[in-house]
Amino acid sequence: QVQLKESGPGLVQPSETLSLTCTVSGFSLTSYSVSWVRQPSGKGPEWMGRMWYDGDTAYNSALKSRLSISRDTSKNQVFLKMNSLQTDDTGTYYCTRDWNNYFDYWGQGVMVTVSS
Amino acid sequence: DVQMTQSPSYLAASPGESVSISCKASKSINTYLAWYQEKPGKTNKLLIYSGSTLQSGTPSRFSGSGSGTDFTLTIRSLEPEDFAVYYCQQHNEYPWTFGGGTKLELK
Repeated sequence: QVQLKESGPGLVQPSETLSLTCTVSGFSLTSYSVSWVRQPSGKGPEWMGRMWYDGDTAYNSALKSRLSISRDTSKNQVFLKMNSLQTDDTGTYYCTRDWNNYFDYWGQGVMVTVSS
Repeated sequence: DVQMTQSPSYLAASPGESVSISCKASKSINTYLAWYQEKPGKTNKLLIYSGSTLQSGTPSRFSGSGSGTDFTLTIRSLEPEDFAVYYCQQHNEYPWTFGGGTKLELK
């Protein structure tokens, strides 16, 4: 069945770079797009960016200058890197299967805290 | 960006009752609205997309309606497993944006 699982550090220092990995199973990254979505505690989700099935990327303009999404199809993995982290980047980060611009499967999410 | 506003933020109801959640967009999004359910310990679940199309596996007691800027999620005859947080998301234009959520609690 379709599964997505995020992994990465739970604590990041301010001004440092966040690196997360999404490992997928049950579908091919060359057939489906994957998006990253984050959610600060107590707030609604925010779409961050997308890795298209064809390898292209799209980013939320609010994050574009800090964000990079890449993939390794041989490992069924999608990567997120975001630099210059601040405390308001604290929240839960999800990878999702992106189908027609909505998200039909979600990972469990990984909690990221930005703190010194 | 399209701002999505959900109301109410909190809603208390009892099993068997029917409830409605509103989602308003700051500009027309045609019918491109999705609804999600969030429950502790479970992955988020897509319920409805394109305003009113039920995702496979979504019970028929859930329905979505609306177009343009005003949308509604209705849950008829609440079951115990329906108490959760619900989010709307517009999928009409970049960047895709979400509402702030509605927590449906047991009365």
